[in-house]
Amino acid sequence: DAKTTQPPSMDCAEGRAANLPCNHSTISGNEYVYWYRQIHSQGPQYIIHGLKNNETNEMASLIITEDRKSSTLILPHATLRDTAVYYCIVRVVGAGGTSYGKLTFGQGTILTVHP
Amino acid sequence: DGGITQSPKYLFRKEGQNVTLSCEQNLNHDAMYWYRQDPGQGLRLIYYSQIVNDFQKGDIAEGYSVSREKKESFPLTVTSAQKNPTAFYLCASSIRTGPYGYTFGSGTRLTVV
Repeated sequence: DAKTTQPPSMDCAEGRAANLPCNHSTISGNEYVYWYRQIHSQGPQYIIHGLKNNETNEMASLIITEDRKSSTLILPHATLRDTAVYYCIVRVVGAGGTSYGKLTFGQGTILTVHP
Repeated sequence: DGGITQSPKYLFRKEGQNVTLSCEQNLNHDAMYWYRQDPGQGLRLIYYSQIVNDFQKGDIAEGYSVSREKKESFPLTVTSAQKNPTAFYLCASSIRTGPYGYTFGSGTRLTVV
């Protein structure tokens, strides 16, 4: 699976949009981009995923560049409860839709939302 | 509610003892995974299982063993051969096909003294 690069930490004011970047310049055509977050001492929580189109759900939006080499997770109105470590991961989904088990987590970005 | 249950949340063991961490899911997911997390680090894959009675080693399988006799259950045994067993252990599950995300349990914090 392609490796990802994320800034180690970011700050955001409460109520403002948090834009978390991720670089995945070696991504291949059958690799999806996933975002998870982990609040201290809890299991990671799935946020969103995408292949090449922008995606939006009730938690966040995912913007993937046209060349797919980078993406941005957007939390539109950050709250204090969004303070967490955010992981950007790429993962192969093979022929027939079979997912491969090796979801590789890096160090992630520590997002701190300030009052 | 469907989800993954890991028990216990905190576990203390003496050095040299084997210990088994429980992971149960009622999501009807085919695939299950065990990850280890050390302070300030990302998650590292220990073992994973795509179907019942089959499992594969992840990146750091040495000193660990698993079984997958039932779809719902994927217990992890930390053996005395594991040199640094104190860590936060996370279990996850997913649908085997399709680009779906993982569902994680709340974790077990193992401390070996």
